[in-house]
Amino acid sequence: EDQVTQSPEALRLQEGESSSLNCSYTVSGLRGLFWYRQDPGKGPEFLFTLYSAGEEKEKERLKATLTKKESFLHITAPKPEDSATYLCAVGQPGNTGKLIFGQGTTLQVKP
Amino acid sequence: NAGVTQTPKFQVLKTGQSMTLQCAQDMNHEYMSWYRQDPGMGLRLIHYSVGAGITDQGEVPNGYNVSRSTTEDFPLRLLSAAPSQTSVYFCASRDRVTDTQYFGPGTRLTVL
Repeated sequence: EDQVTQSPEALRLQEGESSSLNCSYTVSGLRGLFWYRQDPGKGPEFLFTLYSAGEEKEKERLKATLTKKESFLHITAPKPEDSATYLCAVGQPGNTGKLIFGQGTTLQVKP
Repeated sequence: NAGVTQTPKFQVLKTGQSMTLQCAQDMNHEYMSWYRQDPGMGLRLIHYSVGAGITDQGEVPNGYNVSRSTTEDFPLRLLSAAPSQTSVYFCASRDRVTDTQYFGPGTRLTVL
């Protein structure tokens, strides 16, 4: 059964304290691993897509990496505005566009 | 370019009532989908469409109907609302070239 698990469920950091969020997955055939940011009361906002083990993508203080079994979202020197829930999703095989989401990691960055 | 829009933003229903959640996109995307988001469950796929006239079931389709008569619109119908359908509903459309899915702002539904 295809499955996505994110850890930790919640993370509290001090401003400037770097850390990583984990997304582990089991899927019969990966068609992309996606990271989204979700603010309270809003829809998910796209951050990154990764396709191959070893691939990395960066955007401001965020860097996403991918291995054959997991992905990490590294947050370097976070600021309070980085506080949000971060969602990981895997694309299922074929061209259906179907995604399986993890439960998310809620990040709080304190000044 | 409004992206993905959803209406209404909030809705309260009584058990047994029916309603339609509206979703529209102006990006000419063929693929559209509906998810529900519940605490601790993540987003779960309800129904999806790969083009006008074509729809299919996702992970949790029971109690919901969809149709796709145009590329732009993908309404979700609740035929007889139940308290278990209390949730936040998100519509998404997918850019086939980049695989990126764009989500709407959501509809928060409460069924009493």
